[in-house]
Amino acid sequence: DGGITQSPKYLFRKEGQNVTLSCEQNLNHDAMYWYRQDPGQGLRLIYYSQIVNDFQKGDIAEGYSVSREKKESFPLTVTSAQKNPTAFYLCASRGETLNSPLHFGNGTRLTVT
Amino acid sequence: QQQVKQSPQSLIVQKGGISIINCAYENTAFDYFPWYQQFPGKGPALLIAIRPDVSEKKEGRFTISFNKSAKQFSLHIMDSQPGDSATYFCAAGGQGAQKLVFGQGTRLTINP
Repeated sequence: DGGITQSPKYLFRKEGQNVTLSCEQNLNHDAMYWYRQDPGQGLRLIYYSQIVNDFQKGDIAEGYSVSREKKESFPLTVTSAQKNPTAFYLCASRGETLNSPLHFGNGTRLTVT
Repeated sequence: QQQVKQSPQSLIVQKGGISIINCAYENTAFDYFPWYQQFPGKGPALLIAIRPDVSEKKEGRFTISFNKSAKQFSLHIMDSQPGDSATYFCAAGGQGAQKLVFGQGTRLTINP
């Protein structure tokens, strides 16, 4: 069954701690994305990667970091520099053909207190 | 220029009615306009998409209307059902949707 797996579903951290969110896909997609979802603000792009060992900042990259060492994996680290880290984080991937849809995981809800 | 504005923020429709959600964009380079549906606790999933060479696309009860001159597009859900209750996002992208810009989302509730 092809898809995107995000883990864990819920994550709790203390302020000042870095935390890494996992995203794995078995769709053989080259492109992967991280979005942040906040109520009333839609989905905002954090980082994206179109190929292994390469990634670009999205619209709200400050306080986040990513790596893309394997095609299947695109972990996101929320650092202590992110001022408002509590949010719902969505990972997505897409195929190579024109207008291939984004396939989303079921998200990780991060709460930082 | 990269914004996509979506309205309304929330919408309540009676079962069997028509649900209409509107979006407006600014960037004339956008050439791909998808709508995504998201249920609570899940990731969004593609519902229907349109390219600007057509003014309307219909898939079952879901229709996208596209007005290129006004830079607006809308989602119409005919015969709305309680199972349609979800959050809907419009989006826009250029160059084959490598980077999509999403609207703010509309929380749709269909009352039985």
